[in-house]
Amino acid sequence: DSGVTQTPKHLITATGQRVTLRCSPRSGDLSVYWYQQSLDQGLQFLIQYYNGEERAKGNILERFSAQQFPDLHSELNLSSLELGDSALYFCASSVEDRERETQYFGPGTRLLVL
Amino acid sequence: DAKTTQPNSMESNEEEPVHLPCNHSTISGTDYIHWYRQLPSQGPEYVIHGLTSNVNNRMASLAIAEDRKSSTLILHRATLRDAAVYYCILRDEETSGSRLTFGEGTQLTVNP
Repeated sequence: DSGVTQTPKHLITATGQRVTLRCSPRSGDLSVYWYQQSLDQGLQFLIQYYNGEERAKGNILERFSAQQFPDLHSELNLSSLELGDSALYFCASSVEDRERETQYFGPGTRLLVL
Repeated sequence: DAKTTQPNSMESNEEEPVHLPCNHSTISGTDYIHWYRQLPSQGPEYVIHGLTSNVNNRMASLAIAEDRKSSTLILHRATLRDAAVYYCILRDEETSGSRLTFGEGTQLTVNP
């Protein structure tokens, strides 16, 4: 158990809909990362927040957005969903924001868009 | 970002050592070498990291070539639980921040 929790575990929805994925980082971790894992693209970095502020952006679509709240939990919002958004979404956390920091991953949310 | 090259797959027998290679010929002086693994149906987990010297921890050892253009993750006695995809990742705060950039990794199969 990494200490990072993600809800829900599974999500099935239809094209055009909007969903929210939730992540609670390990206690004391200030940095939260979101990654997407699909069969054709592998594991890709989406976005990072550090202590409530956006710190880095990766290959995140404009239809996707995220935020980190004062209690440090984070939400990833996916809107106008398409079939190709079906994937595993992982959240990770680390204490600080340095390249030597270990990232601890949650169990993921499996999203299926029908 | 500097690139890493790993074999797509490797096989090992239980209780034998496993050496997982990674080539990173364009590594810069400030790149840290990190290894993560992803067990089936789980999120990735940290294994080990190093800069120049060989490193050991309770999970594995990391052997880094003197010129740093390659490294090897060593599992001293493979167990069935070590069957996973192993990712070798270079991290440089100046060029990529603290994000992890995953390649395709090596799928390790452990035979009983």
